[in-house]
Amino acid sequence: RKEVEQDPGPFNVPEGATVAFNCTYSNSASQSFFWYRQDCRKEPKLLMSVYSSGNEDGRFTAQLNRASQYISLLIRDSKLSDSATYLCVVGGYNKLIFGAGTRLAVHP
Amino acid sequence: DAGVIQSPRHEVTEMGQEVTLRCKPISGHNSLFWYRQTMMRGLELLIYFNNNVPIDDSGMPEDRFSAKMPNASFSTLKIQPSEPRDSAVYFCASNNPQEHYTFGSGTRLTVV
Repeated sequence: RKEVEQDPGPFNVPEGATVAFNCTYSNSASQSFFWYRQDCRKEPKLLMSVYSSGNEDGRFTAQLNRASQYISLLIRDSKLSDSATYLCVVGGYNKLIFGAGTRLAVHP
Repeated sequence: DAGVIQSPRHEVTEMGQEVTLRCKPISGHNSLFWYRQTMMRGLELLIYFNNNVPIDDSGMPEDRFSAKMPNASFSTLKIQPSEPRDSAVYFCASNNPQEHYTFGSGTRLTVV
């Protein structure tokens, strides 16, 4: 079983749609959680950290359920510029483990 | 800050040649990571350093791969001899403990 599992997609959605990505992780001792975004032929970049209480950054909302070892990312009012691969990331004290990513394609 | 700096951006080499990838982490970051990304396997952690000391090299695929960090501002990843299956994008990243990583722009390696 992979340490971090994500649905690879692709998710093809129209502009303005709401889309949700899910992720599960296997190590219950994990301490840090992030969502990264990776554009084609570019490096991964931090989108947002994920906190137990849930957190929101504009159109993006992240949730963490430690009991179920489950992380989610919700994107509201999708824009064309949201098209990218979204990586779920889980870490211990230092080392981060990346999921394989979920590809999102937003179309007009 | 200039961010994590990697060189070269692109490298094309013949099978059997030695390849050296370079990375300069963000100043003040204690940890440095080398990743490899392919379509088939995604992002794989090869090795990471804390305070210039290699901590976990279990991801290094085989003895042809080696990495060094002689000081806090420089690291190298060397492949000798290179093989076509080593073709990938190699990323370097740095951070401080429990913080998110910052990645460099990557080196796209093609071995023909």
